[in-house]
Amino acid sequence: AQSVSQHNHHVILSEAASLELGCNYSYGGTVNLFWYVQYPGQHLQLLLKYFSGDPLVKGIKGFEAEFIKSKFSFNLRKPSVQWSDTAEYFCAVNAGGNNRLAFGKGNQVVVIP
Amino acid sequence: NAGVMQNPRHLVRRRGQEARLRCSPMKGHSHVYWYRQLPEEGLKFMVYLQKENIIDESGMPKERFSAEFPKEGPSILRIQQVVRGDSAAYFCASSSIRGGTDTQYFGPGTRLTVL
Repeated sequence: AQSVSQHNHHVILSEAASLELGCNYSYGGTVNLFWYVQYPGQHLQLLLKYFSGDPLVKGIKGFEAEFIKSKFSFNLRKPSVQWSDTAEYFCAVNAGGNNRLAFGKGNQVVVIP
Repeated sequence: NAGVMQNPRHLVRRRGQEARLRCSPMKGHSHVYWYRQLPEEGLKFMVYLQKENIIDESGMPKERFSAEFPKEGPSILRIQQVVRGDSAAYFCASSSIRGGTDTQYFGPGTRLTVL
């Protein structure tokens, strides 16, 4: 079965600091990869996705993620966070062309002004 | 363009009652997915439906849970004889084509509390 690992469930950092959230998955075949964000009181929103092509993916709000196939990873980065980036971030994987998304447990990120 | 809509947003039931959760997909989307999020856990897939068909229910508990997506109207997730362990956030997502090659867009969720 697919599994998705996100470490450091709680992250606290100051504005302008850099953010990197790790995501590792266990499936060895073709994968589609996603990062979703859930702002306080809001629903899950797509931040960025990777299906194929350039492994460095640019998303909304200055976020990017890099797919490293050899490491089964899809880490999320932002060079300089803002207070408004306070949210929960979920990595999700769709493997083998099936219809299910497998989610990690999420990273709760708090940005201190 | 309205997104995925779910209602109610919050639902309180006593043990043994039935819970009915509704999901209206985005306009033009014919694929619906239900996920459950338990406290301190990520979202877990439950079921995938197209109009009038259940395509994949491998994540559904064997008893008390059922889902439908009729030709007309919203998708319904029904939980019969609820127990405290059913307390969770239930999210619906939709896509325009099969989810494996398209993005799933999520609704705001229904938070079910079982007393």
